[in-house]
Amino acid sequence: GENVEQHPSTLSVQEGDSAVIKCTYSDSASNYFPWYKQELGKRPQLIIDIRSNVGEKKDQRIAVTLNKTAKHFSLHITETQPEDSAVYFCAASRSGGYQKVTFGTGTKLQVIP
Amino acid sequence: DSGVTQTPKHLITATGQRVTLRCSPRSGDLSVYWYQQSLDQGLQFLIQYYNGEERAKGNILERFSAQQFPDLHSELNLSSLELGDSALYFCASSVGGTGADEQYFGPGTRLTVT
Repeated sequence: GENVEQHPSTLSVQEGDSAVIKCTYSDSASNYFPWYKQELGKRPQLIIDIRSNVGEKKDQRIAVTLNKTAKHFSLHITETQPEDSAVYFCAASRSGGYQKVTFGTGTKLQVIP
Repeated sequence: DSGVTQTPKHLITATGQRVTLRCSPRSGDLSVYWYQQSLDQGLQFLIQYYNGEERAKGNILERFSAQQFPDLHSELNLSSLELGDSALYFCASSVGGTGADEQYFGPGTRLTVT
Protein backbone atom coordinates (compact mmCIF):
# COMPACT_ATOMS: atom_id res chain seq x y z
CA GLY A 1 0.00 0.00 0.00
CA GLU A 2 0.86 3.68 -0.09
CA ASN A 3 3.35 5.03 2.44
CA VAL A 4 3.72 8.77 3.03
CA GLU A 5 6.66 10.20 4.95
CA GLN A 6 6.62 13.80 6.16
CA HIS A 7 9.46 15.99 7.41
CA PRO A 8 10.20 17.76 9.62
CA SER A 9 7.99 16.74 12.51
CA THR A 10 8.41 20.17 14.11
CA LEU A 11 9.39 23.49 12.60
CA SER A 12 9.93 26.88 14.23
CA VAL A 13 10.32 30.01 12.14
CA GLN A 14 10.39 33.71 12.81
CA GLU A 15 7.39 35.70 11.71
CA GLY A 16 7.89 36.84 8.13
CA ASP A 17 10.22 33.98 7.21
CA SER A 18 9.30 31.10 4.91
CA ALA A 19 8.45 27.56 5.96
CA VAL A 20 8.85 24.42 3.87
CA ILE A 21 7.40 21.01 4.67
CA LYS A 22 8.30 17.98 2.57
CA CYS A 23 6.56 14.69 1.89
CA THR A 24 7.50 11.61 -0.07
CA TYR A 25 5.18 8.90 -1.27
CA SER A 26 5.74 5.35 -2.42
CA ASP A 27 2.91 4.54 -4.85
CA SER A 28 3.75 5.93 -8.28
CA ALA A 29 0.08 5.67 -9.22
CA SER A 30 -0.92 8.29 -6.62
CA ASN A 31 -2.27 11.36 -8.38
CA TYR A 32 -3.91 13.55 -5.74
CA PHE A 33 -1.96 15.32 -3.01
CA PRO A 34 -3.87 17.47 -0.51
CA TRP A 35 -2.51 19.45 2.43
CA TYR A 36 -4.56 19.90 5.58
CA LYS A 37 -4.06 22.38 8.41
CA GLN A 38 -5.18 21.49 11.91
CA GLU A 39 -5.20 24.22 14.53
CA LEU A 40 -5.05 23.19 18.16
CA GLY A 41 -8.27 21.50 19.22
CA LYS A 42 -9.89 21.94 15.83
CA ARG A 43 -10.70 19.86 12.79
CA PRO A 44 -8.31 19.42 9.85
CA GLN A 45 -9.10 21.73 6.95
CA LEU A 46 -7.89 21.54 3.37
CA ILE A 47 -5.62 24.48 2.52
CA ILE A 48 -4.35 23.48 -0.89
CA ASP A 49 -4.16 20.42 -3.12
CA ILE A 50 -2.39 19.43 -6.31
CA ARG A 51 -3.04 16.78 -8.91
CA SER A 52 -0.36 14.94 -10.81
CA ASN A 53 -0.97 16.75 -14.07
CA VAL A 54 0.60 19.95 -12.70
CA GLY A 55 3.93 20.64 -11.05
CA GLU A 56 3.07 23.67 -8.94
CA LYS A 57 0.05 25.43 -7.54
CA LYS A 58 -0.16 28.71 -5.64
CA ASP A 59 -2.78 30.34 -3.47
CA GLN A 60 -1.64 33.66 -2.02
CA ARG A 61 1.12 32.87 0.51
CA ILE A 62 0.82 29.11 0.08
CA ALA A 63 2.27 26.99 -2.71
CA VAL A 64 2.69 23.31 -3.34
CA THR A 65 5.20 21.70 -5.68
CA LEU A 66 5.15 18.16 -7.00
CA ASN A 67 8.00 16.11 -8.42
CA LYS A 68 6.46 12.92 -9.81
CA THR A 69 9.78 11.44 -10.84
CA ALA A 70 11.20 11.70 -7.36
CA LYS A 71 7.82 11.04 -5.77
CA HIS A 72 7.88 13.97 -3.45
CA PHE A 73 5.83 17.10 -2.90
CA SER A 74 6.32 20.12 -0.70
CA LEU A 75 4.30 22.85 0.98
CA HIS A 76 5.76 26.35 0.95
CA ILE A 77 4.42 29.11 3.17
CA THR A 78 5.88 32.57 2.62
CA GLU A 79 5.72 35.61 4.91
CA THR A 80 4.60 33.44 7.81
CA GLN A 81 2.24 34.89 10.40
CA PRO A 82 1.43 33.73 13.95
CA GLU A 83 -1.93 32.41 12.73
CA ASP A 84 -0.05 29.96 10.51
CA SER A 85 0.96 28.10 13.66
CA ALA A 86 -0.72 24.69 13.44
CA VAL A 87 -0.10 21.07 12.51
CA TYR A 88 0.09 20.46 8.79
CA PHE A 89 -0.64 17.08 7.22
CA CYS A 90 0.18 15.99 3.70
CA ALA A 91 -1.68 13.13 2.07
CA ALA A 92 -1.65 11.04 -1.08
CA SER A 93 -4.30 9.08 -2.91
CA ARG A 94 -5.30 8.02 -6.38
CA SER A 95 -8.58 8.24 -8.13
CA GLY A 96 -10.31 5.22 -9.51
CA GLY A 97 -11.27 2.02 -7.81
CA TYR A 98 -11.25 1.55 -4.09
CA GLN A 99 -8.44 3.81 -2.94
CA LYS A 100 -7.85 5.17 0.50
CA VAL A 101 -6.17 8.43 1.43
CA THR A 102 -2.86 8.01 3.24
CA PHE A 103 -1.80 10.85 5.52
CA GLY A 104 1.68 11.85 6.59
CA THR A 105 2.54 12.01 10.28
CA GLY A 106 2.17 15.77 10.50
CA THR A 107 4.43 18.80 10.99
CA LYS A 108 3.91 21.11 13.95
CA LEU A 109 4.71 24.62 12.73
CA GLN A 110 5.37 27.36 15.25
CA VAL A 111 5.65 30.92 14.02
CA ILE A 112 7.45 33.08 16.55
CA PRO A 113 6.29 36.72 16.62
CA ASP B 1 -18.38 25.13 9.97
CA SER B 2 -17.76 22.31 7.47
CA GLY B 3 -21.36 21.08 7.40
CA VAL B 4 -20.32 17.71 8.83
CA THR B 5 -21.78 16.95 12.23
CA GLN B 6 -20.63 14.43 14.79
CA THR B 7 -22.21 13.31 18.02
CA PRO B 8 -21.44 13.11 20.82
CA LYS B 9 -18.64 15.67 21.30
CA HIS B 10 -17.23 13.88 24.28
CA LEU B 11 -17.62 10.35 25.56
CA ILE B 12 -16.20 8.83 28.72
CA THR B 13 -16.59 5.12 29.26
CA ALA B 14 -14.95 2.17 30.94
CA THR B 15 -12.80 -0.59 29.54
CA GLY B 16 -14.75 -3.45 28.04
CA GLN B 17 -17.70 -1.28 27.11
CA ARG B 18 -19.18 -0.56 23.69
CA VAL B 19 -19.91 2.87 22.20
CA THR B 20 -21.40 4.24 18.99
CA LEU B 21 -20.20 7.41 17.31
CA ARG B 22 -22.44 9.13 14.81
CA CYS B 23 -21.66 11.24 11.77
CA SER B 24 -23.86 13.17 9.35
CA PRO B 25 -22.11 14.20 6.13
CA ARG B 26 -22.50 17.48 4.27
CA SER B 27 -25.60 17.71 2.16
CA GLY B 28 -24.88 16.09 -1.19
CA ASP B 29 -21.78 14.20 -0.09
CA LEU B 30 -21.95 10.46 -0.65
CA SER B 31 -18.69 9.39 0.99
CA VAL B 32 -17.98 9.15 4.68
CA TYR B 33 -14.52 8.49 6.11
CA TRP B 34 -13.57 7.64 9.69
CA TYR B 35 -10.21 8.57 11.23
CA GLN B 36 -8.60 8.01 14.61
CA GLN B 37 -6.23 10.62 16.04
CA SER B 38 -4.43 9.69 19.24
CA LEU B 39 -2.65 12.31 21.37
CA ASP B 40 0.02 14.07 19.30
CA GLN B 41 -0.43 11.51 16.56
CA GLY B 42 -1.38 11.76 12.94
CA LEU B 43 -4.62 10.81 11.29
CA GLN B 44 -5.09 7.07 11.04
CA PHE B 45 -7.58 6.14 8.35
CA LEU B 46 -10.07 3.55 9.56
CA ILE B 47 -12.72 3.02 6.90
CA GLN B 48 -14.63 4.68 4.06
CA TYR B 49 -18.20 4.24 2.91
CA TYR B 50 -19.64 5.45 -0.36
CA ASN B 51 -23.39 5.58 -0.87
CA GLY B 52 -23.99 2.86 1.68
CA GLU B 53 -21.22 0.49 0.66
CA GLU B 54 -17.80 -0.07 2.15
CA ARG B 55 -15.26 1.47 -0.25
CA ALA B 56 -11.88 1.28 1.44
CA LYS B 57 -10.48 -0.13 4.64
CA GLY B 58 -7.50 1.04 6.65
CA ASN B 59 -6.09 0.05 10.01
CA ILE B 60 -9.42 -0.73 11.58
CA LEU B 61 -9.41 -3.22 14.44
CA GLU B 62 -11.77 -6.19 14.37
CA ARG B 63 -13.40 -4.77 17.51
CA PHE B 64 -14.47 -1.76 15.46
CA SER B 65 -17.17 -1.73 12.82
CA ALA B 66 -19.02 0.89 10.84
CA GLN B 67 -21.95 1.29 8.53
CA GLN B 68 -23.58 3.93 6.38
CA PHE B 69 -27.34 4.14 6.35
CA PRO B 70 -29.72 4.95 3.46
CA ASP B 71 -29.92 8.58 4.61
CA LEU B 72 -26.08 8.60 4.33
CA HIS B 73 -25.33 9.15 7.98
CA SER B 74 -22.74 6.80 9.37
CA GLU B 75 -22.02 5.14 12.68
CA LEU B 76 -18.75 3.82 14.04
CA ASN B 77 -19.12 1.09 16.65
CA LEU B 78 -16.27 0.45 19.05
CA SER B 79 -16.53 -2.60 21.32
CA SER B 80 -14.49 -4.27 24.06
CA LEU B 81 -12.88 -0.91 24.60
CA GLU B 82 -9.30 -0.69 25.82
CA LEU B 83 -7.38 2.22 27.33
CA GLY B 84 -5.49 2.58 24.07
CA ASP B 85 -8.69 3.33 22.20
CA SER B 86 -8.81 6.74 23.87
CA ALA B 87 -8.51 9.20 21.00
CA LEU B 88 -10.20 11.83 18.90
CA TYR B 89 -12.35 10.23 16.23
CA PHE B 90 -13.01 12.30 13.14
CA CYS B 91 -15.53 11.75 10.45
CA ALA B 92 -15.08 13.39 7.06
CA SER B 93 -17.23 13.51 3.96
CA SER B 94 -16.69 14.14 0.27
CA VAL B 95 -18.77 14.28 -2.85
CA GLY B 96 -17.12 11.41 -4.68
CA GLY B 97 -15.81 8.08 -3.57
CA THR B 98 -12.46 7.92 -5.28
CA GLY B 99 -10.32 9.34 -2.49
CA ALA B 100 -9.22 12.16 -4.79
CA ASP B 101 -11.76 14.68 -3.53
CA GLU B 102 -11.56 17.33 -0.86
CA GLN B 103 -12.62 15.91 2.46
CA TYR B 104 -14.61 18.01 4.92
CA PHE B 105 -13.98 17.04 8.51
CA GLY B 106 -16.43 17.11 11.36
CA PRO B 107 -15.54 18.53 14.79
CA GLY B 108 -14.63 15.08 16.13
CA THR B 109 -15.69 12.95 19.07
CA ARG B 110 -13.25 12.74 21.95
CA LEU B 111 -13.38 9.28 23.47
CA THR B 112 -11.86 8.65 26.88
CA VAL B 113 -11.65 5.08 28.11
CA THR B 114 -10.98 4.75 31.84
